Amino acid sequence: QLQLQESGPGLVKPSETLSLTCTVSGASISSNIYYWGWIRQPPGEGLEWIGSIFYSGTTYYSPSLKSRVTISLDTSKNHFSLKLSSVTAADTAIYYCARLTEDSISSRWDYWGQGTLVTVPS
Amino acid sequence: DIQMTQSPSSLSASVGDRVTITCRASQSINTYLNWYQQKPGKAPKLLIYAASSLQSGVPSRFSGSGSGTDFTLTINSLQPEDFATYYCQQSYSTPITFGQGTRLETK
Repeated sequence: QLQLQESGPGLVKPSETLSLTCTVSGASISSNIYYWGWIRQPPGEGLEWIGSIFYSGTTYYSPSLKSRVTISLDTSKNHFSLKLSSVTAADTAIYYCARLTEDSISSRWDYWGQGTLVTVPS
Repeated sequence: DIQMTQSPSSLSASVGDRVTITCRASQSINTYLNWYQQKPGKAPKLLIYAASSLQSGVPSRFSGSGSGTDFTLTINSLQPEDFATYYCQQSYSTPITFGQGTRLETK
């Protein structure tokens, strides 16, 4: 059974870098079938895609965050990571990692981590 | 960016009702449309992909339809566990975008 688990600090100071890791069990992130990515949700608000990464290391980022985001893979540990620099209170959110399955008819987030709340005080 | 607009933003219904939620894309996205259910304190759960394909393990009372710019999620015979927030999401092009959500509440 595939499981994803986010980990990282729950509190990040303004202007610093938010760093989260998503550990994957039950599947290899080296698979050439799936993408892996991050999605966030400010408390009480909707979902925002941050970015995705393929096993090859190819990345796709939200234009609104691209200048501050880095997503990377560590295949030896079967995990992938998110770094978001120069954070402000607007980056306070629940951060989810997820798997993206892509085929000829669809691209969909089919497995999600439980989410981790990251707070940036104002 | 492709904008996704859901209606209504909130909806009150009773167990046993049939409910429909609409999602409209700002441009054609073919059938690259997914639906998710989110309960409080939980991660979103994939219900429907490719506009009308039911994700494995999802009850058959959930169905999706549409193509181009207009899509619907229908829940037949609403069950107590279906009261949640529902999101549509387009995967036609990056950036991937979600609708603002529809909160389904008990009447």
